[in-house]
Amino acid sequence: NAGVTQTPKFQVLKTGQSMTLQCAQDMNHNSMYWYRQDPGMGLRLIYYSASEGTTDKGEVPNGYNVSRLNKREFSLRLESAAPSQTSVYFCASSANRGTNEKLFFGSGTQLSVL
Amino acid sequence: GENVEQHPSTLSVQEGDSAVIKCTYSDSASNYFPWYKQELGKGPQLIIDIRSNVGEKKDQRIAVTLNKTAKHFSLHITETQPEDSAVYFCAANSGGGADGLTFGKGTHLIIQP
Repeated sequence: NAGVTQTPKFQVLKTGQSMTLQCAQDMNHNSMYWYRQDPGMGLRLIYYSASEGTTDKGEVPNGYNVSRLNKREFSLRLESAAPSQTSVYFCASSANRGTNEKLFFGSGTQLSVL
Repeated sequence: GENVEQHPSTLSVQEGDSAVIKCTYSDSASNYFPWYKQELGKGPQLIIDIRSNVGEKKDQRIAVTLNKTAKHFSLHITETQPEDSAVYFCAANSGGGADGLTFGKGTHLIIQP
């Protein structure tokens, strides 16, 4: 029972490079989320998808795009990486449609932008 | 918007003692208050949550209390064990929308043997 799976676990980029973080859940959850975690800042919501076919901006969406490919998968894309995007990124899912309750988190992607 | 303050940032207790972590929130419309535990190198894991129509909730050695009037809620861990060492985050969900969950900055709980 994998839960929420994120790839890759670690990534180093140069400023201006692009990349996509992948996330998949096998719990048949409706809602999926992307958070970033910075030291001393807690978790901040980047984008979310309350249900398949919908996506919305969170607190810190600038510099990111997302795709809800199907009910299982929700990807996060950095088109032109900047040092300010150095962070740990977490994908999460929840069964309830669009309520942000009882989140299940993946193990994270540690991203460094040089 | 919602603002969640969490204290202390670091808490060290002797194994077997109790630990209390406190959070305050600003939005009186907040109605859902979860607590997450994050172990080193892992994602946060929900350990307990409470809704605004309940004053206290308990699950074995952990409990959460909520004071709506004062707008604060607390996590209580009794009989602490080494495996309780982790970073704990509180959160508040104002308005009930998918984008409404605001997290505190975390408390690093250290259990001394």
